[in-house]
Amino acid sequence: GAVVSQHPSWVICKSGTSVKIECRSLDFQATTMFWYRQFPKQSLMLMATSNEGSKATYEQGVEKDKFLINHASLTLSTLTVTSAHPEDSSFYICMASRGYTFGSGTRLTVV
Amino acid sequence: GENVEQHPSTLSVQEGDSAVIKCTYSDSASNYFPWYKQELGKRPQLIIDIRSNVGEKKDQRIAVTLNKTAKHFSLHITETQPEDSAVYFCAGVNYGQNFVFGPGTRLSVLP
Repeated sequence: GAVVSQHPSWVICKSGTSVKIECRSLDFQATTMFWYRQFPKQSLMLMATSNEGSKATYEQGVEKDKFLINHASLTLSTLTVTSAHPEDSSFYICMASRGYTFGSGTRLTVV
Repeated sequence: GENVEQHPSTLSVQEGDSAVIKCTYSDSASNYFPWYKQELGKRPQLIIDIRSNVGEKKDQRIAVTLNKTAKHFSLHITETQPEDSAVYFCAGVNYGQNFVFGPGTRLSVLP
């Protein structure tokens, strides 16, 4: 079945630095990738939708200049958290639209 | 857009008893309703799903029912076991679009 590889699985970074999260579709072409964020004990909330070769669509309240999404190829979508702050600490997870396949998630801790 | 509500937020049952979690949705265009189980620190795992042209689906101890008229669907787990303890999320989606998740139900199965 479809597999989405997400890296890193966890990362700790200092405030003000940037972190890049990658999601790769291993055996299929992911034309659309959904990016979700999950705070502790909360549900998964859609941040943005990325489509290969076009600009991402961001949900209301999500800063597009802070959460940079790139979907330059059919097998790779990336989310970069820029100038990270402690309140950005969360579980970030991608989902390919094909088969609604989740990546394994990335736990980001900003100190 | 879609709005999904889920009840209860927490549920404790004795091992061997049944557990029922209910969700309601708002968008009549939604036609796909998956249920996910999420263990701490892990990605959500699809446990069962149902499409709008079906009223009920069963897979061993797990079943899902859908009432399109009332716009609600329910997860039924019979003969609960301690390993069923987790957070369960429902979702509603117009297939091909992004998921809208419910807020989650924390199920505890007491031995």
